[in-house]
Amino acid sequence: NAGVTQTPKFQVLKTGQSMTLQCAQDMNHNSMYWYRQDPGMGLRLIYYSASEGTTDKGEVPNGYNVSRLNKREFSLRLESAAPSQTSVYFCASVRGREQYFGPGTRLTVT
Amino acid sequence: EDQVTQSPEALRLQEGESSSLNCSYTVSGLRGLFWYRQDPGKGPEFLFTLYSAGEEKEKERLKATLTKKESFLHITAPKPEDSATYLCAAPRFGSGNTGKLIFGQGTTLQVKP
Repeated sequence: NAGVTQTPKFQVLKTGQSMTLQCAQDMNHNSMYWYRQDPGMGLRLIYYSASEGTTDKGEVPNGYNVSRLNKREFSLRLESAAPSQTSVYFCASVRGREQYFGPGTRLTVT
Repeated sequence: EDQVTQSPEALRLQEGESSSLNCSYTVSGLRGLFWYRQDPGKGPEFLFTLYSAGEEKEKERLKATLTKKESFLHITAPKPEDSATYLCAAPRFGSGNTGKLIFGQGTTLQVKP
């Protein structure tokens, strides 16, 4: 039982490049969330998915897209990376209001 | 505006020196207050949920309490392994049954042997 897994752990991109962050959970939760964590800003919600087939914007959705591929997997895509997207990205699997986080992806955009 | 504020930003304790971390909130119709622990390079780990003023929850050396305006995380006789960043969070007003939370910026605790 791995809980929440994220890949990759680290990534360096150049401005304008695209990439997809992957997240998978094995807890059979309906809801999954994507956050970014920046120094002094705390955790901020990017997008969330309340159930398979649905996605909604969070606080800071600009520059991102998401796909809820199935109940287990929720991916986050950066179509054209910008330095402002340098951050640590966390995926969370949610049961009610309890959230279970993955280990994070540390992304640097140069 | 809904807000969650934690203090202090950083706290250094000697092993065995008890203290408290504060989380104050201005969220209309509070429906839960959550505490998480985050170790360096890892994701937050769920610790406690408190739902009503006066409620207390304990886990090992940690005890979380809730009043109408703030929550405290009391650490009794801490050990070096308690060193971490502690986050508190509250559901956004109007978020219904979703898990949309506002997170505080965290208190980084360092416990020296």
